[in-house]
Amino acid sequence: DTEVTQTPKHLVMGMTNKKSLKCEQHMGHRAMYWYKQKAKKPPELMFVYSYEKLSINESVPSRFSPECPNSSLLNLHLHALQPEDSALYLCASSQEPPGGSYNEQFFGPGTRLTVL
Amino acid sequence: AQKVTQAQTEISVVEKEDVTLDCVYETRDTTYYLFWYKQPPSGELVFLIRRNSFDEQNEISGRYSWNFQKSTSSFNFTITASQVVDSAVYFCALSEVNRGSTLGRLYFGRGTQLTVWP
Repeated sequence: DTEVTQTPKHLVMGMTNKKSLKCEQHMGHRAMYWYKQKAKKPPELMFVYSYEKLSINESVPSRFSPECPNSSLLNLHLHALQPEDSALYLCASSQEPPGGSYNEQFFGPGTRLTVL
Repeated sequence: AQKVTQAQTEISVVEKEDVTLDCVYETRDTTYYLFWYKQPPSGELVFLIRRNSFDEQNEISGRYSWNFQKSTSSFNFTITASQVVDSAVYFCALSEVNRGSTLGRLYFGRGTQLTVWP
């Protein structure tokens, strides 16, 4: 199994809603990532988990709350988002933590989020 | 300063043409990794290749080939005999190993939109 799965594929939410994005990998990878990608832009790193611990937070607003329940799962909890948070949210995983030898990241298909 | 520069924003070719996507990077690290990813309209970023800074051998995989030149800090990607299915945004990325707080994170270029016409 060499894939990263993400659910849901599409999500529409209001600014007062609470929702969660889910990501799963079964490749035994030790690092997992959340990225945000706006149209016609490269992905922007949000969070990195290494060995289930948060290792990088790129000064992301607290309305985004990551969680890593176990080595295969990564969640992104959303609350009180703004319309400008509408974007494609990509999850990725890598065999090694950032900086390791086998650190190529494998990405999921993403969740297209629209905040009304 | 931009660590990865992809100067070509958009490229259009006709099927069966060869096309080269340019990537220039900037780093002070002696150990680093370079990557190419493909992002089709579906949105998923597909890993294509990883190259470490000590391996300057060019690589060929089917119709894809990569030319890594440390002397010019370039890691260019060539598609031979392009096909419509090659249409996508292609990202070049850099990962540095020796820097503390930025350890291992991917620096993406802005991407090159490749359109292959039938």
